[in-house]
Amino acid sequence: QVHLVESGGGVVQPETSLRLSCAASGFTFSGYAMHWVRQAPGKGLEWMTVISHDGNRKYYADSVQGRATISRDNSKNTLYLHINSLTTDDTALYFCAKEGGYSYGPWVGYLDNWGQGSLVTVSS
Amino acid sequence: EIVLTQSPGTLSLSPGEGATLSCRANQRVTSSHLAWYQQRPGQAPRLLIYGASSRATGIPERFSGSGSGTDFTLTISRLEPEDFAVYYCQQYGSSLYTFGQGTKLEIK
Repeated sequence: QVHLVESGGGVVQPETSLRLSCAASGFTFSGYAMHWVRQAPGKGLEWMTVISHDGNRKYYADSVQGRATISRDNSKNTLYLHINSLTTDDTALYFCAKEGGYSYGPWVGYLDNWGQGSLVTVSS
Repeated sequence: EIVLTQSPGTLSLSPGEGATLSCRANQRVTSSHLAWYQQRPGQAPRLLIYGASSRATGIPERFSGSGSGTDFTLTISRLEPEDFAVYYCQQYGSSLYTFGQGTKLEIK
């Protein structure tokens, strides 16, 4: 079955950068778009970014445009998120999630499998 | 940007009752691109409904979705104890995705 495991979180200082990873298994990783979604403590879900199956298309929410970079390595079945210039507002649980639908198919607009998240705390 | 507004913010009901959760968009949403998720405390979100009305794999029949245009509804018939959680709607359009702010379904 689909398994997504995020890593790379922890306590980081403001104005620094961070790279999160998401290891995928149980499906044809190279066939699906992948997302990052975050959730601040006690708050709702915030969609951040999506990358196409081949890495050629990337889209970002306005809130992170210019500070976040999504990437993937299909040879390693791994998704990445790099965020720079961190502030306390970036403190959140970061989830990776798989686009639904069919392998190598069009985007269907929903996220059918999620990891358990990696907690990032920005604090001095 | 499409903004989704969910109501009510909190819904207090008893097991066995039915629940109706609303999701309203500030502009038209393609029905095939409207989804609902459930998030229990300490857990990742779980896909419930996609395409506005299709149940995801393994989702009980008591969950149903409806709506079109700017108004969408998630209905839960005969609430079970495990249904008390937070529910989010989500849309996809113009290569961007957005979530509503959530409705907390709590035990009365």
